[in-house]
Amino acid sequence: EPEVTQTPSHQVTQMGQEVILRCVPISNHLYFYWYRQILGQKVEFLVSFYNNEISEKSEIFDDQFSVERPDGSNFTLKIRSTKLEDSAMYFCASSTGQISNQPQHFGDGTRLSIL
Amino acid sequence: GDSVTQMEGPVTLSEEAFLTINCTYTATGYPSLFWYVQYPGEGLQLLLKATKADDKGSNKGFEATYRKETTSFHLEKGSVQVSDSAVYFCALMFSGGYNKLIFGAGTRLAVHP
Repeated sequence: EPEVTQTPSHQVTQMGQEVILRCVPISNHLYFYWYRQILGQKVEFLVSFYNNEISEKSEIFDDQFSVERPDGSNFTLKIRSTKLEDSAMYFCASSTGQISNQPQHFGDGTRLSIL
Repeated sequence: GDSVTQMEGPVTLSEEAFLTINCTYTATGYPSLFWYVQYPGEGLQLLLKATKADDKGSNKGFEATYRKETTSFHLEKGSVQVSDSAVYFCALMFSGGYNKLIFGAGTRLAVHP
């Protein structure tokens, strides 16, 4: 069964540094998402992406965050200047379409640790 | 705003016990409802879903019924196994709006032999 793959599985970065988290969505999917889960808290929506544009973003997704689909297969999340509170598990997801009962498929996540 | 509330965990059961994990939602419309499961060290996997009132989702012995009158989507399993130990997330999604999922806090289930 096709999977969403995320790299790296664990990223350790100094505060203030830029970090790029990478995702390869399922190949025929058109809608892409990033979520995060701070340790012990709920999974929170960050951003959705379709047709090379951001479709929706949450209040968490401020100017320090950006997303890109640079080459038609990868989908990246960049944090420009990391803060301690950015430490979390980041999940990428993808889906085939906009209809509400199309499930989102998730990757195994990248654990981001900011020192 | 729209939200999902789950019973707090951890839930600790013996193998073959009956499982219920409560989930209620607050929504301005009629969302689709989902249960996702997260096994240790892994990502979120879709367990089951229901898209309209009175629908029952089922998978791997788990069931949940979409109850509009009580705005609930409780997860049940008749006989749990040690391998069911995981964190279970209830979530809702509306059509349109590019379908962001709104998750509950998650409920950790630990099943002992």
